[in-house]
Amino acid sequence: EVQLVESGGGLVQPGGSLRLSCVASGFSFGTYPMHWVRQAPGKGLEYISSILGDGSHTVYATSVKGRFTISRDNSKNTLYLQMGSLRSEDMAIYYCARDISTGFSFDVWGLGTKVTVSS
Amino acid sequence: QSALTQPASVSGSPGQSITISCTGTNSDVGAYNFVSWYRQYPGEAPQLMIYDVTNRPSGVSHRFSGSKSGNTASLTISGLQAEDEADYYCKSYSTSSVSYVFGTGTKVTVL
Repeated sequence: EVQLVESGGGLVQPGGSLRLSCVASGFSFGTYPMHWVRQAPGKGLEYISSILGDGSHTVYATSVKGRFTISRDNSKNTLYLQMGSLRSEDMAIYYCARDISTGFSFDVWGLGTKVTVSS
Repeated sequence: QSALTQPASVSGSPGQSITISCTGTNSDVGAYNFVSWYRQYPGEAPQLMIYDVTNRPSGVSHRFSGSKSGNTASLTISGLQAEDEADYYCKSYSTSSVSYVFGTGTKVTVL
């Protein structure tokens, strides 16, 4: 079964850091671009970041550029999101998603991990 | 990158058809046929319903169809059913940001 499982969320103080993980199973992880998407409480979906299958290229939304870093370890079938200088507006459920084989759509999603930013 | 514009809510009776619009610019929706649609039930992860404007992933009902005209994409749900009540989001690749942008989201209510 194709599956994505996020972890690493939790409570962090403003200005703090957190690393999210997303473990993939059931497919050839290293051949797929991967993405992070977040959803603030009661709000819509917001695109965060993408990384190619070999990790050679990354993209970030303006809202997180310079503060978040996406990476992957294909030997561990794991996607990461290192988040720093966290703000209250970063509080959200963070989802990882797989790129569809034809590109430009996200066909498999994890259940998400919740990040709370509060003092 | 501004979010794509969707109506906040759309409603219909069982069996009817409804259409959700998604308006962008010639840098995103109008640029390429890379518009996708996602359904999200409360407390759950999004699910891909339509990709590349008109294509349905395996397992998605034929009642869901997509189209595009200029800078506006649309999702039509035919034969509306109670299970279609959910939030729906469009998404497009953006040439200006070289990344993705989601729509504002539409809550579908089955009367």
